[in-house]
Amino acid sequence: ETGVTQSPTHLIKTRGQQVTLRCSSQSGHNTVSWYQQALGQGPQFIFQYYREEENGRGNFPPRFSGLQFPNYSSELNVNALELDDSALYLCASSNLVDEQYFGPGTRLTVT
Amino acid sequence: AQSVAQPEDQVNVAEGNPLTVKCTYSVSGNPYLFWYVQYPNRGLQFLLKYITGDNLVKGSYGFEAEFNKSQTSFHLKKPSALVSDSALYFCAVRDGRKAGTALIFGKGTTLSVSS
Repeated sequence: ETGVTQSPTHLIKTRGQQVTLRCSSQSGHNTVSWYQQALGQGPQFIFQYYREEENGRGNFPPRFSGLQFPNYSSELNVNALELDDSALYLCASSNLVDEQYFGPGTRLTVT
Repeated sequence: AQSVAQPEDQVNVAEGNPLTVKCTYSVSGNPYLFWYVQYPNRGLQFLLKYITGDNLVKGSYGFEAEFNKSQTSFHLKKPSALVSDSALYFCAVRDGRKAGTALIFGKGTTLSVSS
């Protein structure tokens, strides 16, 4: 098991609502990346934070936003939820140039 | 633009037989290549990586992968499969020219090892 934790493990929301997902990175890591994994697909990159600054973003709309805190933990916020946002959301921590270590994920269901 | 192809949705092997899970990639700069494994309802576990050096890299649980630059491939291999190796395997690439670029994943290959 990695030292990356995510909360909550499961979440059910209604279309149009907002959600916040949380991630605690592995000790010694300064970079957090977020991915969306739809059913039957590989993870898709949402964005990455390095030392509290956004360091790259994938092809996701602005209603997906994030934060990284001084202790390098991170939040993913999604506004105006849509049915297609239903997925497993994965957080990965790393040092900037190293392999990424993934948390167990948060399963989000939008109804 | 980077991309990864895993041409097989599923690979079936008998326990004790060698296994190969295929991966080809496309990247503009130097490829940094990774294999991850995912068990049901779990996150991804890192298996191995290729950054530079020997083309054959060894990783966790007896897995290895061979980097082939001319064929732009990074196939995952194991000499003797175990039933416990049954899982979903993802190949990923990122552009090594810039630190911190995103991992681009393939769609995944389900490995099924029968006893």
